[in-house]
Amino acid sequence: DSGVTQTPKHLITATGQRVTLRCSPRSGDLSVYWYQQSLDQGLQFLIHYYNGEERAKGNILERFSAQQFPDLHSELNLSSLELGDSALYFCASSASSFRGTLYNEQFFGPGTRLTVL
Amino acid sequence: TQLLEQSPQFLSIQEGENLTVYCNSSSVFSSLQWYRQEPGEGPVLLVTVVTGGEVKKLKRLTFQFGDARKDSSLHITAAQPGDTGLYLCAGAQWGLSGGSQGNLIFGKGTKLSVKP
Repeated sequence: DSGVTQTPKHLITATGQRVTLRCSPRSGDLSVYWYQQSLDQGLQFLIHYYNGEERAKGNILERFSAQQFPDLHSELNLSSLELGDSALYFCASSASSFRGTLYNEQFFGPGTRLTVL
Repeated sequence: TQLLEQSPQFLSIQEGENLTVYCNSSSVFSSLQWYRQEPGEGPVLLVTVVTGGEVKKLKRLTFQFGDARKDSSLHITAAQPGDTGLYLCAGAQWGLSGGSQGNLIFGKGTKLSVKP
């Protein structure tokens, strides 16, 4: 158990719909990362939040957005869903903002499997 | 463009055999992590290497970071069925402040199957 929790475990929805995925980081971790894992692309970085502030964006679509709340939990919002959005979505957390440190150890949650029909 | 190439993509071996998985890039990384992932679960961190040429051992697993910090390898001695899983390498790039950039760049993984 990594200490990172994600809900829901599974989500089945239809094209055009909107869903929210939730992540609670390990106790004390300030950084939250969202990744998408599909069969053909592997794990792709979406977005990074540190202590409530957006720090970096990866290949995140404009239809997707995220935020980190004062209690440090994070939500990933996916809207106007398409068939191609079906994937595993992982949240990871770490203690550091990484400035001035070489270590970048991230701990992953169990993921949310999104199926868009 | 895939910045981290892992090979082989698939590996099926018998219990007791040795194996090596490779992770290669043309980019330099500040650190490199190896993860193991079971089907339907999140990746689990195995090791982090940060120094060029560094070797780390975790029981029967030996991890090496290349001298130029562009590649890494994972060697498993006397593989067991419990080693079965997807092995992922992930690199952190240098940030503007000199430390690591936050997000990790993942290879597509090596799917290992160890048969009893």
